Amino acid sequence: DVKVTQSSRYLVKRTGEKVFLECVQDMDHENMFWYRQDPGLGLRLIYFSYDVKMKEKGDIPEGYSVSREKKERFSLILESASTNQTSMYLCASSLAGLASYNEQFFGPGTRLTVL
Amino acid sequence: AQTVTQSQPEMSVQEAETVTLSCTYDTSESDYYLFWYKQPPSRQMILVIRQEAYKQQNATENRFSVNFQKAAKSFSLKISDSQLGDAAMYFCAYRTHYGGSQGNLIFGKGTKLSVKP
Repeated sequence: DVKVTQSSRYLVKRTGEKVFLECVQDMDHENMFWYRQDPGLGLRLIYFSYDVKMKEKGDIPEGYSVSREKKERFSLILESASTNQTSMYLCASSLAGLASYNEQFFGPGTRLTVL
Repeated sequence: AQTVTQSQPEMSVQEAETVTLSCTYDTSESDYYLFWYKQPPSRQMILVIRQEAYKQQNATENRFSVNFQKAAKSFSLKISDSQLGDAAMYFCAYRTHYGGSQGNLIFGKGTKLSVKP
């Protein structure tokens, strides 16, 4: 079974803190993704990575950065957390290539509250 | 740019009945992939069913089936014999077949399905 795990299910941080959200997958997937999920807005892509040390901005990268030092691990960093970053954060991974379904597999999510 | 629209924010169905969730999308591409994902309350998002655009036959997975109308750019999900465990948020998603964006999914805003006993 594909497994995508996230370091925390629930996280409470203070405004201005640096926040790290960790994601690990065990299926040797090339692609990894960070989404933000808000009610009524669906899932919005923050960043994605298609290889180690490679990253590309998604639709809403402002206020976030990412790190991928190893293939299995993709970290989302909030340099200075703000209250408008209170949200559910979902990590996903998939195989590379566009000629097949290569569907994304999701982690359980981290519900982040910034006070 | 591609877009995905789910026009029903909430739906309700009686247990054992059938329900159809709507999804439309906009694209100029001729080949692509479509997905329905399910997110149960406080649980992980999982893939329900998938469809490749060039395949005319509608995909089915047990009680789940799709009605794929390529010309109308419509991809609805039918759940037959609804069960309490089907209660969840359902997301429709689009993925390109062509280069660029490394297979990013474009999601609709979701439909919250309630199942009444």
